[in-house]
Amino acid sequence: EPEVTQTPSHQVTQMGQEVILRCVPISNHLYFYWYRQILGQKVEFLVSFYNNEISEKSEIFDDQFSVERPDGSNFTLKIRSTKLEDSAMYFCASSEALLSGASNNEQFFGPGTRLTVL
Amino acid sequence: ILNVEQSPQSLHVQEGDSTNFTCSFPSSNFYALHWYRWETAKSPEALFVMTLNGDEKKKGRISATLNTKEGYSYLYIKGSQPEDSATYLCAFNSGYSTLTFGKGTMLLVSP
Repeated sequence: EPEVTQTPSHQVTQMGQEVILRCVPISNHLYFYWYRQILGQKVEFLVSFYNNEISEKSEIFDDQFSVERPDGSNFTLKIRSTKLEDSAMYFCASSEALLSGASNNEQFFGPGTRLTVL
Repeated sequence: ILNVEQSPQSLHVQEGDSTNFTCSFPSSNFYALHWYRWETAKSPEALFVMTLNGDEKKKGRISATLNTKEGYSYLYIKGSQPEDSATYLCAFNSGYSTLTFGKGTMLLVSP
């Protein structure tokens, strides 16, 4: 069964360093998302991406964050200068469509990358 | 700010017990309600996408109902098994691409 994959599963970095989190969405999906969950809190939306551009982003997704689809399979989240409060589980998700129907609006999630900023 | 709440926060039941949890969400601007099952170190697994008021969906021993007028959804597990132990997340979709999640209900089923 097709699935969303993410690498690495765990990333430890020093404050101020840049990190790139990688995702491979399901191959026929067109919409890509990043969410994060700070320990003990709700899963929060960061950004959605379609047709090589950001379609929506939350207040969390400030200038420190960027997303890219560098090739036909990968989808990346870059944090330019990490802060302690960026420590969280970062989930990538993909969906076949956006709004056109309940079943193909379903977002499929990867297993997450746990980012620890020291 | 959209508020999605889930209760209880955690639940511990014995194998064979039936259980249910609640997700409450805004009753306005409703498009869809998603349920996910999330085991630690695994991907959250999509259980149901519900869109119509009065919807009832079933997958094996798990079922869900939806009331969009009053803004709640119930998830039921009949005859819980230890492998049902997981965090159950609901997420509200108002028609944009974002999902707004609740905090989840952590279920532990003891043999």
